[in-house]
Amino acid sequence: SQTIHQWPATLVQPVGSPLSLECTVEGTSNPNLYWYRQAAGRGLQLLFYSVGIGQISSEVPQNLSASRPQDRQFILSSKKLLLSDSGFYLCAWRTPALRNYGYTFGSGTRLTVV
Amino acid sequence: EDKVVQSPLSLVVHEGDTVTLNCSYEVTNFRSLLWYKQEKKAPTFLFMLTSSGIEKKSGRLSSILDKKELFSILNITATQTGDSAVYLCAFTYSGTYKYIFGTGTRLKVLA
Repeated sequence: SQTIHQWPATLVQPVGSPLSLECTVEGTSNPNLYWYRQAAGRGLQLLFYSVGIGQISSEVPQNLSASRPQDRQFILSSKKLLLSDSGFYLCAWRTPALRNYGYTFGSGTRLTVV
Repeated sequence: EDKVVQSPLSLVVHEGDTVTLNCSYEVTNFRSLLWYKQEKKAPTFLFMLTSSGIEKKSGRLSSILDKKELFSILNITATQTGDSAVYLCAFTYSGTYKYIFGTGTRLKVLA
């Protein structure tokens, strides 16, 4: 069965520090991978998505970047965090072949920038 | 600009009540709409709707899509405290791999 792992669960980082959040998927090949952010009281905002190794699409200009070094690994990074980067970060995957199913989300990382 | 609007923003009911949550969207080349339930952490998948007028059911939850009027509803009958959560809808359209989410409806069910 397919599983998605996302870590860490919580993170407190000072302004100006770097960030690296990792997401891995097991039990599937060539998934579409996504990074979403959810600010307090707001909906899910799509940050990046990837349809293959090394292929990254960015949705909004921001202080973050993403990389997909392996088929089932998706990494969200920042060189210098801002206060506005605080939020709940969710990784998700979807296999296009499963037409009647949506995303499966990871358990999320709650990031607080202080 | 593609967008999705959910209403109401929040709702408080008592156990046993029936609730209807609304999701309207504006998008060209609509392909499918998703409903999710989010408690403390990750959203969990409820339904995917692609065809108008066909109801999807899972226990006390049901959902239907109206592609002509561009909206979907999620019904929960005989609500329980465990139904308390944020309910999110999202849509996608042809030619893309992404879903656009609404801000959600926060439902609180009181015992």
